[in-house]
Amino acid sequence: QKEVEQNSGPLSVPEGAIASLNCTYSDRVSQSFFWYRQYSGKSPELIMSIYSNGDKEDGRFTAQLNKASQYVSLLIRDSQPSDSATYLCAVYTGRRALTFGSGTRLQVQP
Amino acid sequence: EAGVTQFPSHSVIEKGQTVTLRCDPISGHDNLYWYRRVMGKEIKFLLHFVKESKQDESGMPNNRFLAERTGGTYSTLKVQPAELEDSGVYFCASSQWEGPRPGNTIYFGEGSWLTVV
Repeated sequence: QKEVEQNSGPLSVPEGAIASLNCTYSDRVSQSFFWYRQYSGKSPELIMSIYSNGDKEDGRFTAQLNKASQYVSLLIRDSQPSDSATYLCAVYTGRRALTFGSGTRLQVQP
Repeated sequence: EAGVTQFPSHSVIEKGQTVTLRCDPISGHDNLYWYRRVMGKEIKFLLHFVKESKQDESGMPNNRFLAERTGGTYSTLKVQPAELEDSGVYFCASSQWEGPRPGNTIYFGEGSWLTVV
């Protein structure tokens, strides 16, 4: 079992819709969770971090964490074509470095 | 403020040759990380420096890989001799502090694309 799992996609949503990206993790001691966005050929860019159960909102982005079920999700409201990218879920596990999922490719159709 | 910069951006070498990748972290960041993404796989941790010391090198695949950070500033990752399976994107990242804590963002460079033929 992979430490961090994501559906590779592509996830295709129409412009203006809500995109929902999901991630599960296997290590129960994980405490910190991150969503990075990566455009093709560019560096991963941090868009959200979440440390406690519940929802955290930042503009059009909402991160949701459920430690009991070991999943973290990212909602993107009012999706724009510029949101088309690969979204990487990352978790701090036992070591002091990030463990990444393989990423979900999001396509927002104009 | 400059971000994490990596050089070269792309490199094509023959199997058996040596390649050295360089990373300049954000100024003032003591923590420097190397990650790698091979085709179709997730980004995987290679090692972590705190200043010039190797904090964790558990992700280094084998002894053909050598990372250094002399003086605690820039870092190099040398692959010698390169094998076909070493092809991928090598990302460098840096952060001000160590470990998971609010406000401790890990910033990534754009990566060095390595192709071994």
